[in-house]
Amino acid sequence: DAKTTQPNSMESNEEEPVHLPCNHSTISGTDYIHWYRQLPSQGPEYVIHGLTSNVNNRMASLAIAEDRKSSTLILHRATLRDAAVYYCILNQGAQKLVFGQGTRLTINP
Amino acid sequence: NAGVTQTPKFRVLKTGQSMTLLCAQDMNHEYMYWYRQDPGMGLRLIHYSVGEGTTAKGEVPDGYNVSRLKKQNFLLGLESAAPSQTSVYFCATTPTGTVALGETQYFGPGTRLLVL
Repeated sequence: DAKTTQPNSMESNEEEPVHLPCNHSTISGTDYIHWYRQLPSQGPEYVIHGLTSNVNNRMASLAIAEDRKSSTLILHRATLRDAAVYYCILNQGAQKLVFGQGTRLTINP
Repeated sequence: NAGVTQTPKFRVLKTGQSMTLLCAQDMNHEYMYWYRQDPGMGLRLIHYSVGEGTTAKGEVPDGYNVSRLKKQNFLLGLESAAPSQTSVYFCATTPTGTVALGETQYFGPGTRLLVL
C-alpha cells in the first residue's frame, strides 16, 4: 500500500503563507492525494484533493510534483484558526482512507 | 441539516461493561465508517458499511461489533469493554464510497470513551 511521509510538526506566523510538505514516493497512477485537517477536539474535515494537476479552493492550494511523488498543501495567509493537525492521505483502495500521524501546525500570533 | 451526529459525546465505563455508540446522518449517504483515535495518533478504521444491512471489517475490528439496520444509522458496540478501548471514536460518511475518485468523507464530532 502506498504510504505518505509528513513532518511531525511545523510552525508559522499569522498572516504568512504556510507550505506543508508530503512525500508519497510509492504512489500509484490512480491514487488521489487527499488533505484533511483536524482542529482541536473536533473530527477531521476535508481540505482539498487532487490527482495530477495543481488545485485551488477557498481553503487552500495543492501543488503536486510532476512525478507525483510529493505534494505541498499551501495555506496562503495563515490565521490562528488554521492551527490543526494536517493529514496527507492516499486512498487505499476504492472505499476508504488511511490516516497517518499528520503534521501538527502551530500558528504564532 | 445536522450532517453527522454522534451519541453520546462522552462516556465512562468499567472494564467488562457493554455499550453502544450511535452515529446518525441525514445526508442520505451510502457508506459509513467507524474510526478510533488514540492520543497523538492518526485515525484507524474499525468497521465500515457500504449500505443498509451490510458491514465489513477495517484495520482494527477486534472487540467491536457493528450494525446498519437503517441507512441513516451506524451502531458500534462494545460487548465487554477493556481499558485498551479507551479512545476517541469518530464516525464518518461518504455519498457513494468512491474515495478512490476523490470523494469527500464527512466526520462527526467524536465520542470520548474512558474505560476504567
